[in-house]
Amino acid sequence: DTEVTQTPKHLVMGMTNKKSLKCEQHMGHRAMYWYKQKAKKPPELMFVYSYEKLSINESVPSRFSPECPNSSLLNLHLHALQPEDSALYLCASSQLGLPNEKLFFGSGTQLSVL
Amino acid sequence: AQTVTQSQPEMSVQEAETVTLSCTYDTSESDYYLFWYKQPPSRQMILVIRQEAYKQQNATENRFSVNFQKAAKSFSLKISDSQLGDAAMYFCAYRPPTGANSKLTFGKGITLSVRP
Repeated sequence: DTEVTQTPKHLVMGMTNKKSLKCEQHMGHRAMYWYKQKAKKPPELMFVYSYEKLSINESVPSRFSPECPNSSLLNLHLHALQPEDSALYLCASSQLGLPNEKLFFGSGTQLSVL
Repeated sequence: AQTVTQSQPEMSVQEAETVTLSCTYDTSESDYYLFWYKQPPSRQMILVIRQEAYKQQNATENRFSVNFQKAAKSFSLKISDSQLGDAAMYFCAYRPPTGANSKLTFGKGITLSVRP
């Protein structure tokens, strides 16, 4: 199994809602990443987990809260989002988090905030 | 700070022809890693090819090859025998050699269309 699975594929939420994005991989990878991508723009790194510990937080607003319950699962909890947070949210994983490694990406969650 | 520049926003190639996508980067590091990722309409980013800066030999993966010019800080991607499935957005990316805390920095991307 060489896939990174993200759910849901699409999500529409109001600014007062609380929702979560889920990412799962069963490749035994120990590094997992959240990226945000606006249309026709490159992905922007949000968070990196290495061995289930948060190793990078790119000054992301606190309305985004990541969680890594185990080595296979990565969540992104959303609360009180703004319309400008509408974007494609991509999850990725890599074997050990080494800089020469291939990142395996999921197909993303397309988020719309109304 | 490292920057990655892809100056061409769009390119088009005839099926079966060859196309070269340009990328330049700026870094003060001597050792680093370079990547080309492809993002088709399905939105899933897929690694096309990667290059270690300490290797002088250009990386090759089937129809994809790179022209890595370290002194010029240039890393172009050549796609030979272009196929309709090659139509996608292509991102050049740079990563410094400092483990899990090293960030992958992407260029702005280039949209490649393939004419049948």
